[in-house]
Amino acid sequence: GAVVSQHPSWVICKSGTSVKIECRSLDFQATTMFWYRQFPKQSLMLMATSNEGSKATYEQGVEKDKFLINHASLTLSTLTVTSAHPEDSSFYICSPLGRGSGPDTQYFGPGTRLTVL
Amino acid sequence: DAKTTQPNSMESNEEEPVHLPCNHSTISGTDYIHWYRQLPSQGPEYVIHGLTSNVNNRMASLAIAEDRKSSTLILHRATLRDAAVYYCILRRFSGGYNKLIFGAGTRLAVHP
Repeated sequence: GAVVSQHPSWVICKSGTSVKIECRSLDFQATTMFWYRQFPKQSLMLMATSNEGSKATYEQGVEKDKFLINHASLTLSTLTVTSAHPEDSSFYICSPLGRGSGPDTQYFGPGTRLTVL
Repeated sequence: DAKTTQPNSMESNEEEPVHLPCNHSTISGTDYIHWYRQLPSQGPEYVIHGLTSNVNNRMASLAIAEDRKSSTLILHRATLRDAAVYYCILRRFSGGYNKLIFGAGTRLAVHP
């Protein structure tokens, strides 16, 4: 399957700081990127979808000014959690889709665990 | 969003077959049925998908009911590494994208 990496794998930060999470598709070009978050003992929730070079489309209830998504290249997308608070502590997972990955199989990154103190 | 219904949890013994059911009575004609699984603290892993016909791959088999309102993921011989949360998802074109919207999934426990 396709290789997807996320960095960092985990991060602890103080309340009020901003955290940037990187997602890279290592062996294919991601024309579309999905970002999910997952709270403990819960399922994945889709946050937003972006196309390379375009603004992201956010799901209902997700603040676009708080979760900044940049999809500037076909191999890299970033999610920045601005002014993070404890309630933003979660497992963030990216899922790139695009040329070379196959239209029917969507791969996921290993996830980034964010803990806000 | 297309909704699926799965049992919260199931148990199996190692080396026995496992049948994980999924109901999707509101499925539309163009929805693909996807199965993913997730190990603790990892991203989801693709297992299998299908549209109308039964599908087999190296990981599992997918049996789809004739009316497509239900499907069953079959693990032919469960191993301890198959212990995970299994998600049955209808992939639907929405808002310009084919999105995977996750439900609660089934937590599979495999006993030695």
